Amino acid sequence: GEDVEQSLFLSVREGDSSVINCTYTDSSSTYLYWYKQEPGAGLQLLTYIFSNMDMKQDQRLTVLLNKKDKHLSLRIADTQTGDSAIYFCAEIGGQAGTALIFGKGTTLSVSS
Amino acid sequence: KAGVTQTPRYLIKTRGQQVTLSCSPISGHRSVSWYQQTPGQGLQFLFEYFSETQRNKGNFPGRFSGRQFSNSRSEMNVSTLELGDSALYLCASSLLANEQFFGPGTRLTVL
Repeated sequence: GEDVEQSLFLSVREGDSSVINCTYTDSSSTYLYWYKQEPGAGLQLLTYIFSNMDMKQDQRLTVLLNKKDKHLSLRIADTQTGDSAIYFCAEIGGQAGTALIFGKGTTLSVSS
Repeated sequence: KAGVTQTPRYLIKTRGQQVTLSCSPISGHRSVSWYQQTPGQGLQFLFEYFSETQRNKGNFPGRFSGRQFSNSRSEMNVSTLELGDSALYLCASSLLANEQFFGPGTRLTVL
């Protein structure tokens, strides 16, 4: 079956880069995502990458995909206190069809 | 464009009752998906509706059901509520399958 795993916590200082990692098991996934959730809020779609791409950059966000190792990462440059949130990795398009399969989320804490 | 809206935002029910949650997708989006978020199980897919038809279903008991109307608005219903149904219920709408946009969620508390 499908599974997505992430480390649970990451703590960085303001201005540093943050790297959040994720591994997934379903090699037939077509898209991989990063969502952000702030306290008391829904999920905000940050960025996504098609499975035949290696990298995608969007302003301060860089997504790297290693399809051979089924490893996805999200790098946030110049991390700000407003980036403190839970970040979810998700996949779609594999065995679960149109359903997003999420990891448990990584809590990013940014200190000033 | 207005985002995905969900009503009500908060709900308190007692065990054995039933509840209906509503979701209005982004204008023009025909697919609506529902997810349950709990501290223990994380985010889990409930079901997806497209053009009033259930297109995909997660691994939840039959007490969880949904429907979609001709204007793409969707409702989900949970009957015979259990304590374990306490969760944040999130709705997502999409125009293309690869982009799902989420609403703020409905926080359901079962006492």
